[in-house]
Amino acid sequence: DGGITQSPKYLFRKEGQNVTLSCEQNLNHDAMYWYRQDPGQGLRLIYYSQIVNDFQKGDIAEGYSVSREKKESFPLTVTSAQKNPTAFYLCASSIRLGTTDQPQHFGDGTRLSIL
Amino acid sequence: ILNVEQSPQSLHVQEGDSTNFTCSFPSSNFYALHWYRWETAKSPEALFVMTLNGDEKKKGRISATLNTKEGYSYLYIKGSQPEDSATYLCAFPGNTGKLIFGQGTTLQVKP
Repeated sequence: DGGITQSPKYLFRKEGQNVTLSCEQNLNHDAMYWYRQDPGQGLRLIYYSQIVNDFQKGDIAEGYSVSREKKESFPLTVTSAQKNPTAFYLCASSIRLGTTDQPQHFGDGTRLSIL
Repeated sequence: ILNVEQSPQSLHVQEGDSTNFTCSFPSSNFYALHWYRWETAKSPEALFVMTLNGDEKKKGRISATLNTKEGYSYLYIKGSQPEDSATYLCAFPGNTGKLIFGQGTTLQVKP
């Protein structure tokens, strides 16, 4: 079954620590995205990538970093510079960036909390 | 700044009730309007992608309509069931293809 796998499901971060959230897709999609959800707010875009070795900042990129070395993988690192990292993080993919008539596909998410 | 608004924020209905909620989006430079259903502990899944003014799409008891000129879409659920309990998200792709999401409408259907 094709889909998106995020891991871990729950993650705890100590102060000053970087943590990396994994996202893998086997849908052969070019575009991948990271969103953050906070209570009472819509999904906000952190970073996106339209192709391997390319990625762009979204609306709330400060304190985060990404890489896209393989088509299937788009890991997100939450750095110590992110002052309020406690949130739910969703990874998504789509066939290509800009194909507005095609839906995005989502993973199950990772919940990050601060110890 | 593009804004997508959903109302109401939450809704509680009895099993068997029909319900509807609204998504408002910018009426200029329309490309498409997406609806997603997000059940607790699951990933959001696409319900509809609507592209034409006056479009009406249906999936079982759920249907959606689109008015691009006035910038709104309605989602209807006929005869709500407990398994319809979820957060319903709408999203509007800007001209770069990036989705802008509304805050969602959380539906609770009581048996």
